[in-house]
Amino acid sequence: GAVVSQHPSWVICKSGTSVKIECRSLDFQATTMFWYRQFPKQSLMLMATSNEGSKATYEQGVEKDKFLINHASLTLSTLTVTSAHPEDSSFYICSANPPGLRYNEQFFGPGTRLTVL
Amino acid sequence: QKEVEQNSGPLSVPEGAIASLNCTYSDRGSQSFFWYRQYSGKSPELIMFIYSNGDKEDGRFTAQLNKASQYVSLLIRDSQPSDSATYLCAGQPTGTASKLTFGTGTRLQVTL
Repeated sequence: GAVVSQHPSWVICKSGTSVKIECRSLDFQATTMFWYRQFPKQSLMLMATSNEGSKATYEQGVEKDKFLINHASLTLSTLTVTSAHPEDSSFYICSANPPGLRYNEQFFGPGTRLTVL
Repeated sequence: QKEVEQNSGPLSVPEGAIASLNCTYSDRGSQSFFWYRQYSGKSPELIMFIYSNGDKEDGRFTAQLNKASQYVSLLIRDSQPSDSATYLCAGQPTGTASKLTFGTGTRLQVTL
């Protein structure tokens, strides 16, 4: 149980284009999902908390108009990187908490490696 | 001050030895702590979590929590080359629901 998938696993795009990344909970429903970004040799930085049926909550310093999050169903959250630039190249990872876990353990998707040329 | 701190390493231990990974945290109200293992190029994988003072054992892994000292550790017994990875410590700060704050991770190398 507690399987989270992401698609695509890697993507290369040109500067100025937009890229959509999907995060799905495969065997549970998730009212909340989390989006992280990880640069090489650095730790995970939480970008935003995705809430089903409502607006995402962004961490300080994360541009909500650049990183659009849509949590349209209990099993799918999407992150769209708009007008991507080379500095947005990073490893994007989502996570979710299966319901009913007392200590809110988070389970991660496999990640999406974005390269912006 | 970072909320969760770890020594970046690398920590090098010989095969079969005990690896000891340490983490300190600044939010005294944090309740639960998590250890994740991350192989290079992969996403984090949950190894253990701990919420009570003392030790919690799961196979070759033992997590230790000392809330008075604001200290969390992970011991790996009989270390194997396959344990070579970066180990991330994460805490759930007070009032943040299910959000996690991660340390920078400690890179472990198990040598033959």
